[in-house]
Amino acid sequence: DADVTQTPRNRITKTGKRIMLECSQTKGHDRMYWYRQDPGLGLRLIYYSFDVKDINKGEISDGYSVSRQAQAKFSLSLESAIPNQTALYFCATSDQQGDQPQHFGDGTRLSIL
Amino acid sequence: AQTVTQSQPEMSVQEAETVTLSCTYDTSESNYYLFWYKQPPSRQMILVIRQEAYKQQNATENRFSVNFQKAAKSFSLKISDSQLGDTAMYFCAFMKPHNNNDMRFGAGTRLTVKP
Repeated sequence: DADVTQTPRNRITKTGKRIMLECSQTKGHDRMYWYRQDPGLGLRLIYYSFDVKDINKGEISDGYSVSRQAQAKFSLSLESAIPNQTALYFCATSDQQGDQPQHFGDGTRLSIL
Repeated sequence: AQTVTQSQPEMSVQEAETVTLSCTYDTSESNYYLFWYKQPPSRQMILVIRQEAYKQQNATENRFSVNFQKAAKSFSLKISDSQLGDTAMYFCAFMKPHNNNDMRFGAGTRLTVKP
């Protein structure tokens, strides 16, 4: 089984819909991240969480929200999806000793029409 | 803010040959980390190599090595004996120590290894 699992793998939806992307991990890591990848821009940080009670905005948090339901679960929501949120979304984890995201999921490709 | 530039959107190399991917960055920090990540068609991001700025010795991981030029703010990745499985997007990234909420990525280089 994958260390970091993202669901769904692909999603197509319409403008204005509420979307939730889910991430679960089996690494036992405290730190979890959500990134967005766009062509020509690399990855950009949306939100991060250093433990269950800690949520922080990243570089591009507008239009997104997150929930850290448990150490192993970190979900990303788009309350009212818009077309420019079409992108590839990654969840990642690291432990307290790690200085960089160590384990990534396979990504969720989200298309908003 | 730190920026990371990868000036080669696409590159190709023949199997078994050597290829070098370029990366430059801009920062006023003296201590930081640099990384190369690989993203194969399966989409998963995989850490290839990591370099601490305070270390003069270039990092090496099997066929992957870096040429870290701190004064020039350059961090290139050399892949020796290229294999078909090396075909992927490669991202260069920068991060300040103990601040892993602020990792900055370059735009990526798409590498194709040809048989």
